[in-house]
Amino acid sequence: AQSVTQLDSQVPVFEEAPVELRCNYSSSVSVYLFWYVQYPNQGLQLLLKYLSGSTLVKGINGFEAEFNKSQTSFHLRKPSVHISDTAEYFCAVSTNAGGTSYGKLTFGQGTILTVHP
Amino acid sequence: NAGVMQNPRHLVRRRGQEARLRCSPMKGHSHVYWYRQLPEEGLKFMVYLQKENIIDESGMPKERFSAEFPKEGPSILRIQQVVRGDSAAYFCASSLPGQAGYNEQFFGPGTRLTVL
Repeated sequence: AQSVTQLDSQVPVFEEAPVELRCNYSSSVSVYLFWYVQYPNQGLQLLLKYLSGSTLVKGINGFEAEFNKSQTSFHLRKPSVHISDTAEYFCAVSTNAGGTSYGKLTFGQGTILTVHP
Repeated sequence: NAGVMQNPRHLVRRRGQEARLRCSPMKGHSHVYWYRQLPEEGLKFMVYLQKENIIDESGMPKERFSAEFPKEGPSILRIQQVVRGDSAAYFCASSLPGQAGYNEQFFGPGTRLTVL
């Protein structure tokens, strides 16, 4: 079984400052990694995903994340945030090992990013 | 191409009533997932279905909850005899056939169930 830990439940930051949202995972098999964003009263939108290959993944809205296998981390970063980035962010994993657990996403608890003017 | 559609968006039920949540996947998507988001928590996997088959229901409570994805029509999550603890946001996601863990899951806007 896999698990995901988002180390910060809330991250306040000022506009145009850099931000990092931390995510660690545990799994006994290879995983795919995802970051989703959820705006109030809406569904989840995919920001980026790591499937294989380059460990630095670029996503939408200027976000990027780096897969670090040795540290089992997949931290999300943005060099300069905007007010519109205020939302809740979820890290998630799925297994690529096959079997009936194939496809289901295991989510972290979420990090609320609040960007202040 | 319309996104994943869920209805109703908001549902209020009294304890003991039944709740039916509907999910229409994106066109061409034959895989459907249901997740539940309790207040102050992340999303928890409930069930994974393909057309007419339940593939993985390891996250479903053993009693009162059921799900289906018929050959025609939307996927239905059914909760019988609801209790206050069932109050949550229920999200449906769909993906293309193939390697389910590989393909992006597209999420609907959710149904927010309130049990009085």
